[in-house]
Formats: sequence, structure tokens, C-alpha cells
Amino acid sequence: EVQLVESGGGLVQPGGSLRLTCAASGFTFSRYSMSWVRQAPGKGLEWISYISTSSGSIYYADSVKGRFTISRDNAKNSLYLQMNSLRDDDSAVYYCARLVLLWFGLDSWGQGTLVSVSS
Amino acid sequence: QSALTQPASVSGSPGQSITISCTGTSSDVGSFNLVSWYQQHPGTAPKLMIYEVSKRPSGVSNRFSGSKSGNTASLTISGLQAEDEGDYYCCSYASSKYVFGTGTTVTVL
Repeated sequence: EVQLVESGGGLVQPGGSLRLTCAASGFTFSRYSMSWVRQAPGKGLEWISYISTSSGSIYYADSVKGRFTISRDNAKNSLYLQMNSLRDDDSAVYYCARLVLLWFGLDSWGQGTLVSVSS
Repeated sequence: QSALTQPASVSGSPGQSITISCTGTSSDVGSFNLVSWYQQHPGTAPKLMIYEVSKRPSGVSNRFSGSKSGNTASLTISGLQAEDEGDYYCCSYASSKYVFGTGTTVTVL
């Protein structure tokens, strides 16, 4: 069974940093591209980042470019999101998701981890 | 990149069919057959219902179907059931990024 489990969320002050981790199991992690998607409380979904299987291609939404860094460790079956210079509007549930083939869709999602940015 | 436009809400009676539209631009929906649809129930993660415009993942009911014409994609739910209530989001590839729709709340009357 495919499982994605996010961790690392919490309360942080504006300007602070957090590192999210997504632990993958039940599939060959190194064969799949991955993304992070977030959802602010009561709001819709927002795609924020993509990483290819070997980390050769990495993309970000404009809203996080220059502040967030996506990475992966295929040996540890783990995906990461380093979030710096956090702002109030970064408060959201952050999901990691697996891509079907290239950009065909996001077929498996974690349960999400809540990030709250507040002073 | 602006969000794709969806109606805020759609409702229907059990057994009826409903259609949710998703309007983008020639830079996203209109240029790629890479539209997907997600169902989300309160407090849970989204679930993939349709990918590549009209393909259903294994385990998704054939009551769900997708299509696209020009810059607008559509999700049709036929034989509406109480369990279909929830939020639905479309999503399109748009040159090295994804763009999600604004979301539609489906209510079964």
C-alpha cells in the first residue's frame, strides 16, 4: 500500500524557518516525481513545488520561489521542504503528493502537516 | 498564474447528473491534455478522480467522467450519490507548474 506521511509542521514566528519531511513507503520512491501542495484554512489547493526522480528538475510557484527549497533522498525514501522567511500567508496544511508519470496528475497524497505562522 | 475558474457550488438530487466546469486559458487547459480532478472531503486529503482529462484511476467509479473543449474542462458525475458530496478541484499542467481551480462544493439535495 502506498503511504506518504508528512511531519515537521508546527507554530513558527514570521521570518522563521521550518523543514517538512515526507516519508514514503509501499512503492519504489526513486521512480516517481513528487510535489508539495498546500491548503490555507478554509481555502483551496495551491501547488508549490515539484522535484523529478533524480532531482534534476525542480520547479516552484512564484509565491515561494527564493524562500522554499524542495529536495529528496531516494536512499531514505524521503521528500523534504525547507521553508525560510516564513510569512503569515504561508500558514496552511502542507501535503506531499506523488505524480502519475510526468505531470499527468497527483495520484497519492499524504495526510498533511499543519504549519502556522504567527507572532 | 491565476487559478482556474470553477463555480463555487453545484447541487443535484440523488440519481441526477451534474457537471462542474473548469475554465483556464490557452497557457494551461487549452494547451495541454493534462487536466486532473480531485475530490476532497472535510478534514481529509484530496483524492485523484480523473487524470489526463478523461482517464479514471483504478478504483474510481465510472460515474465520474471528464472532458475538455478549448480552454474549458469538465467533470461530470452521473447517478449522484450522497457520498459524492464534498469539494472538487480541477488542476492543469502549465509549463513546469500546476495550476489548481478555485474549487466547487457539491451538495446532494
